[in-house]
Amino acid sequence: EVQLVESGGGLVQPGRSLKLSCAASGFTFSNYYMAWVRQAPKKGLEWVATISTSGSRTYYPDSVKGRFTISRDNAKSSLYLQMNSLKSEDTATYYCARQSYEGFAYWGQGTLVTVSS
Amino acid sequence: DVVMTQTPPSLSVAIGQSVSISCKSSQSLVYSDGKTYLHWLLQSPGRSPKRLIYQVSNLGSGVPDRFSGTGSQKDFTLKISRVEAEDLGVYYCAQTTHFPNTFGAGTKLELK
Repeated sequence: EVQLVESGGGLVQPGRSLKLSCAASGFTFSNYYMAWVRQAPKKGLEWVATISTSGSRTYYPDSVKGRFTISRDNAKSSLYLQMNSLKSEDTATYYCARQSYEGFAYWGQGTLVTVSS
Repeated sequence: DVVMTQTPPSLSVAIGQSVSISCKSSQSLVYSDGKTYLHWLLQSPGRSPKRLIYQVSNLGSGVPDRFSGTGSQKDFTLKISRVEAEDLGVYYCAQTTHFPNTFGAGTKLELK
């Protein structure tokens, strides 16, 4: 059974940093692209980042480019999101998702990040 | 960026009724490999999103066949035949043909 478990969320002040983690199991992690998708309170879904199988290619929307960094450790079946210079508009539940030609096929339960002073 | 426009924003349905949700993209979603990476997801209340359909019309594993997807290029439709209570929630279309990947704003399916 595919499982994705996010961790690392919490309350952080504007301008500070936070690193999210996602532990994957139930599939060969190194064979899949992975992504982070977020959802602000009472809002829709927003794609945040995607990383290739080896980690050599990463993709971001303009809203987080230069501030967020997606990475992975295939030996640990883990995905990460380093978030710097956080803003209030980054407040959201962050989901880890397995991405492939089948879209975002599996999602974690999400971890809430609140950016507030 | 590709803008995904979903209509209607909300739907009120009775159990057993059939409904359709539209999703239109601002650009063609046909990739250079000839495939169309348009997908549908459902977010039930208080839950994480769940993928229903991938590449326009392919049912995800375990998804009931009362769900179906059609469309091409820039115009797509999700149909739910014989709505059941477990189908209630917010439906999203998503495109992964182009970066940045983008989602529709969602269609909330509620009980009449």
